[in-house]
Amino acid sequence: DTGVSQDPRHKITKRGQNVTFRCDPISEHNRLYWYRQTLGQGPEFLTYFQNEAQLEKSRLLSDRFSAERPKGSFSTLEIQRTEQGDSAMYLCASSEGTRVLDTEAFFGQGTRLTVV
Amino acid sequence: AQKVTQAQTEISVVEKEDVTLDCVYETRDTTYYLFWYKQPPSGELVFLIRRNSFDEQNEISGRYSWNFQKSTSSFNFTITASQVVDSAVYFCALPVTTYSGAGSYQLTFGKGTKLSVIP
Repeated sequence: DTGVSQDPRHKITKRGQNVTFRCDPISEHNRLYWYRQTLGQGPEFLTYFQNEAQLEKSRLLSDRFSAERPKGSFSTLEIQRTEQGDSAMYLCASSEGTRVLDTEAFFGQGTRLTVV
Repeated sequence: AQKVTQAQTEISVVEKEDVTLDCVYETRDTTYYLFWYKQPPSGELVFLIRRNSFDEQNEISGRYSWNFQKSTSSFNFTITASQVVDSAVYFCALPVTTYSGAGSYQLTFGKGTKLSVIP
């Protein structure tokens, strides 16, 4: 296992279409995070899973966004009825342990979404 | 609410020069962590350092050093003898206090500083 894997790396879609991204965390990591990064900005937190439970959701995660982690392993992030404002890099990260912040979070290379 | 300010948007230096990236933070927490990440053109965020607010000692790792000053709420990052491979966007980050318990990597990031090292 070489790190957090995200698929696809790039996605171009027409406005109004639905898209789904996948994240495979490092295998022993029980915690998984989704972030969004727009051009020239730092990443912004979207949501957080501990195993299969979604424990935190940002206000940025509108009703058009849904994330799942059905078996506590990989996760999917779906955006319905995409809008041009959804164009961004979507980053996934994972970490382990009970004292979470004592360990390192590893980020994937992200999925770059362009809505045309 | 937590806030991280990186006032320097872009910095250019000539190779072998030293460069300091500034980070100022705001938090109501009495204990907290601070992070620096590097984002090269490939896009992946690379962890550089995690510092606990209990520990105000400066840290050095090779050409990298960090100056944490709680009195001024700053956590500055210095690269000594910069190299072209240091060219990247650097982010300072602070965990958000969450209600899910046990803390999490719900991080508040600054807007980043783009460092260009010119050969």
